[in-house]
Amino acid sequence: DAKTTQPTSMDCAEGRAANLPCNHSTISGNEYVYWYRQIHSQGPQYIIHGLKNNETNEMASLIITEDRKSSTLILPHATLRDTAVYYCIVRPFITRGTSYDKVIFGPGTSLSVIP
Amino acid sequence: GAGVSQSPRYKVAKRGQDVALRCDPISGHVSLFWYQQALGQGPEFLTYFQNEAQLDKSGLPSDRFFAERPEGSVSTLKIQRTQQEDSAVYLCASSISRGGFSYNEQFFGPGTRLTVL
Repeated sequence: DAKTTQPTSMDCAEGRAANLPCNHSTISGNEYVYWYRQIHSQGPQYIIHGLKNNETNEMASLIITEDRKSSTLILPHATLRDTAVYYCIVRPFITRGTSYDKVIFGPGTSLSVIP
Repeated sequence: GAGVSQSPRYKVAKRGQDVALRCDPISGHVSLFWYQQALGQGPEFLTYFQNEAQLDKSGLPSDRFFAERPEGSVSTLKIQRTQQEDSAVYLCASSISRGGFSYNEQFFGPGTRLTVL
């Protein structure tokens, strides 16, 4: 099972900020929060990741609560091209040697940007 | 630069046919993953390669599914005697690092949509 819970769907008006929430109440100390998105008929695309500090890049901002049990992905000025399914994933940062953990995607949040 | 490519993009098979799906990862990427994505669901892990070694195949749903990466670059996912429940999008992803996800992001291909009639 996915370690995160997200709303099934959300709408956002074009040009407004889109705020996508994610709950990860069982996150452990060495796990990062990653966000991916998947536009229709494409593979998932990396957006951003963070541990405990807020992060910003050219695509989005990530706000992580102080207790790290939830986070919000912010698309500051949503465009029609941001319509996609957004996946919130928790993942260990460091893998030891050849060991690794399977990436577990949940169903994500289907974001519709409305003109 | 070139990203991950997959071929064919679409495949229609009759039930019982064998299919082969190809993945060309980004050059130099050590890790390669296959995922299966059913309609309306997130991708589900199938198998993982580090170079030519298949280190995890625990996600393969049955012994009809077989994956290989003989020279540590191109990978092929083969499905024998396809069934209707095999209909899905099959995604390939590659990562420069060992251990896959960790610090280096996974780059996904566009997927192959398999429809079994």
